[in-house]
Amino acid sequence: DAKTTQPTSMDCAEGRAANLPCNHSTISGNEYVYWYRQIHSQGPQYIIHGLKNNETNEMASLIITEDRKSSTLILPHATLRDTAVYYCIVRVVGNTDKLIFGTGTRLQVFP
Amino acid sequence: GAVVSQHPSWVICKSGTSVKIECRSLDFQATTMFWYRQFPKQSLMLMATSNEGSKATYEQGVEKDKFLINHASLTLSTLTVTSAHPEDSSFYICSGREGSSYEQYFGPGTRLTVT
Repeated sequence: DAKTTQPTSMDCAEGRAANLPCNHSTISGNEYVYWYRQIHSQGPQYIIHGLKNNETNEMASLIITEDRKSSTLILPHATLRDTAVYYCIVRVVGNTDKLIFGTGTRLQVFP
Repeated sequence: GAVVSQHPSWVICKSGTSVKIECRSLDFQATTMFWYRQFPKQSLMLMATSNEGSKATYEQGVEKDKFLINHASLTLSTLTVTSAHPEDSSFYICSGREGSSYEQYFGPGTRLTVT
C-alpha cells in the first residue's frame, strides 16, 4: 500500500472545524483513502472513506484533491470527545488487503 | 457499525506462562481477522492476518510459534501468547472484516502486562 504523511499533532478549539490534512502522493488509482481515529486506550474507530469524490457522513467530511495526492478530513464542529489520534490510510479494497497504520495526527480539542 | 468484542480487556500474567485473548464478531461474519499490537505512544502494528479455517499469515518479524492464532469459526479468533515475557507487554487489538467489505471493525483491545 502507498504510504501517507500526516502532521504529528494539531490543536482545535471546541466548536470550531478541525481540518486534518493527509498527503498520499504515491496513491494508486484503485486505492481508497480511509480515516480512522483512536481515542486513548480504545480500538480504532472507522470515520469515513473515499476514492475520488468528496464524501460526507454524520461524523465528518472527506475532501480529496482532484489529483488524489492529498486529502483533508473535516470535523465540522469539534468537541472535547473528538480528542484522539487520527489515522489516514490508503488501501486497495479486496479479499487480501490489510490496513497498515502510520503514525497519525494527535488532535487535541481544547475548551 | 458492527461490533467486535475482546476478552479479557486486561490481563496480568507471570513471565513464562501463556495467555489467550479472544476476539468475537458479534453481528457479522468475520471471514478475515487481523491482530495488531500497540506499544505506548506508538501506532498499531499489524501482527497477522487470518482467514476462517486457514492458517494465519504473519507479518515479517512476528514469531508465529510465539503468537498462536486460531480462527476456527466466522465469529471467533484467538491469539495465544506463549511463554510470555515482559517485552510482550502491550495493547493487543483484533479486527474483523466480512468478505471484501469496505469496512473493517476493531475490538476494544486487550492490555497485557507480563511481570
